[in-house]
Amino acid sequence: QQPVQSPQAVILREGEDAVINCSSSKALYSVHWYRQKHGEAPVFLMILLKGGEQKGHEKISASFNEKKQQSSLYLTASQLSYSGTYFCGTDGLAGGTSYGKLTFGQGTILTVHP
Amino acid sequence: EAGVAQSPRYKIIEKRQSVAFWCNPISGHATLYWYQQILGQGPKLLIQFQNNGVVDDSQLPKDRFSAERLKGVDSTLKIQPAKLEDSAVYLCASSLVLANVGETQYFGPGTRLLVL
Repeated sequence: QQPVQSPQAVILREGEDAVINCSSSKALYSVHWYRQKHGEAPVFLMILLKGGEQKGHEKISASFNEKKQQSSLYLTASQLSYSGTYFCGTDGLAGGTSYGKLTFGQGTILTVHP
Repeated sequence: EAGVAQSPRYKIIEKRQSVAFWCNPISGHATLYWYQQILGQGPKLLIQFQNNGVVDDSQLPKDRFSAERLKGVDSTLKIQPAKLEDSAVYLCASSLVLANVGETQYFGPGTRLLVL
């Protein structure tokens, strides 16, 4: 089942912060975050594994709440280069054999203005 | 390190025609994925290979779509015959191994298909 992302779109000024949420209706083992710019391939940002780890990548960090089956992506002091569509991909074991089978959310469009 | 290569980058065909897409994964990556991304949506997995074997093709419309990875390296996805609703970007991705939870998938640039 497809995870649900919120909000659907965010408009920011440079330097502002944003949070993008990803919720699933089923148990998760990992959440993968990607950013896709128009006409380009999705680019990997980070993976969060079962256990509630919070990972960071420069000014972008994320958390994974296993109990709530949710992940949040935090963008701090946004830059123009952060503009794009952010997707979460969830990996939930179905019978223990579905490693790597990512189900992606519908995406969150982030626009950063000068 | 070279990334995932795909060709062609763009393709325009008439409905009921056939089309094929090619993907070469990152060297040494055992797992290869084909995704369909319709405009405004997230990628949807069509088929997943581990070496030259199919791991999951549950979402592949097998009446018109087929895919192969004969030598466990590059792969071809075919649509025959194409329908209007097949217009989308077809993304290929690869990862090093399948068995680890949280294995990173690396995407290619995609092939944009327009069916008229």
